[in-house]
Amino acid sequence: DGGITQSPKYLFRKEGQNVTLSCEQNLNHDAMYWYRQDPGQGLRLIYYSQIVNDFQKGDIAEGYSVSREKKESFPLTVTSAQKNPTAFYLCASGGAGGAGYGYTFGSGTRLTVV
Amino acid sequence: AQSVTQLDSHVSVSEGTPVLLRCNYSSSYSPSLFWYVQHPNKGLQLLLKYTSATTLVKGINGFEAEFKKSETSFHLTKPSAHMSDAAEYFCVVRNAGNMLTFGGGTRLMVKP
Repeated sequence: DGGITQSPKYLFRKEGQNVTLSCEQNLNHDAMYWYRQDPGQGLRLIYYSQIVNDFQKGDIAEGYSVSREKKESFPLTVTSAQKNPTAFYLCASGGAGGAGYGYTFGSGTRLTVV
Repeated sequence: AQSVTQLDSHVSVSEGTPVLLRCNYSSSYSPSLFWYVQHPNKGLQLLLKYTSATTLVKGINGFEAEFKKSETSFHLTKPSAHMSDAAEYFCVVRNAGNMLTFGGGTRLMVKP
């Protein structure tokens, strides 16, 4: 079955560490997105990529980095520069262009700083 | 610029009674609109989508939404709530540039 896989489901980070969240899709979607969700809040866009080898900053990119070397993969690194990284992170993908294309979300990674 | 406003952060209904979750949007383009549901510690699941084919959109689990351009609204309804409907619901607008804007979410609570 096609879908998006995020791993790990839970991740613990010590202060000062970089950690990488994985997002893989087999839907042949061109566009991929990373969102951050905090308790009681909506989703905020961190980074997005419309095509391989290209990505753009979203609304809250500071302290995060991404790469898009393959169409299927869009890993997110939470760096030590991110001062408040504890949150629920969601990856999504969507077909390029045109109305009617749905978006598929992964099941999320909960990151906690210890 | 586009924006989405979900008018209620929390909605509480009794099981078997109707559900109404309100959403207003603003968009410079003819928008695509979506409703997603999120259960605790899960990803978002698509309930339904509007893409201009028909103004009354039927989704999964008995939900439906009506696009009203004159009111810039896309309210989500269900005739009879079930306990399993308790979750967070997000209204989302997508513009021509393939970008999504999320509403702040509405938490639906269903009382037995």
